[in-house]
Amino acid sequence: AQSVTQLGSHVSVSEGALVLLRCNYSSSVPPYLFWYVQYPNQGLQLLLKYTTGATLVKGINGFEAEFKKSETSFHLTKPSAHMSDAAEYFCAVSVDAGGTSYGKLTFGQGTILTVHP
Amino acid sequence: DTAVSQTPKYLVTQMGNDKSIKCEQNLGHDTMYWYKQDSKKFLKIMFSYNNKELIINETVPNRFSPKSPDKAHLNLHINSLELGDSAVYFCASSSGLGNTIYFGEGSWLTVV
Repeated sequence: AQSVTQLGSHVSVSEGALVLLRCNYSSSVPPYLFWYVQYPNQGLQLLLKYTTGATLVKGINGFEAEFKKSETSFHLTKPSAHMSDAAEYFCAVSVDAGGTSYGKLTFGQGTILTVHP
Repeated sequence: DTAVSQTPKYLVTQMGNDKSIKCEQNLGHDTMYWYKQDSKKFLKIMFSYNNKELIINETVPNRFSPKSPDKAHLNLHINSLELGDSAVYFCASSSGLGNTIYFGEGSWLTVV
């Protein structure tokens, strides 16, 4: 079965600083990888995803992530944090389980990003 | 126009009651899901339906009964509510493996 680990339940950065949120996955088959963002009392919004092809994927709001198979990682980065980036971020994986998964997502524990002025 | 909409957004009810949460998607997707987010913000799939057929049931107590009257709707009925059922329930939909899963705004259930 697949799993996701997000290193660091809380990350705090200053406005303008680099944002790095770490995600490692475990899967015996090629994964599909996602990052979602959740603002307080709201649903989940997709930031970006990796399915196949280019391993560096760009998403909304200036975020990007790189799929590194050798490291089983899919870390999320943003060069310069904005106050509006403060939210909780979830890494997730889905796999092709022989036609039985139907794209269900397995989520990491989430990382709360705090941005200081 | 909201892609995945669920009602109610907030629900406070007493232990032992029965309640339902409704979900509708206007994206034309074949697959719909219910996810539960617990008090520690951990998200876990509960059910998935594909073309009105139940395809995933993740060892959820049988007090929880999903129903899909058509591809665009997936409702969640909960019998005999318990304190531990307090959580946020998210409805979601997608067009299948590898595609984006779109989430509703969530239904905050509090059992007192």
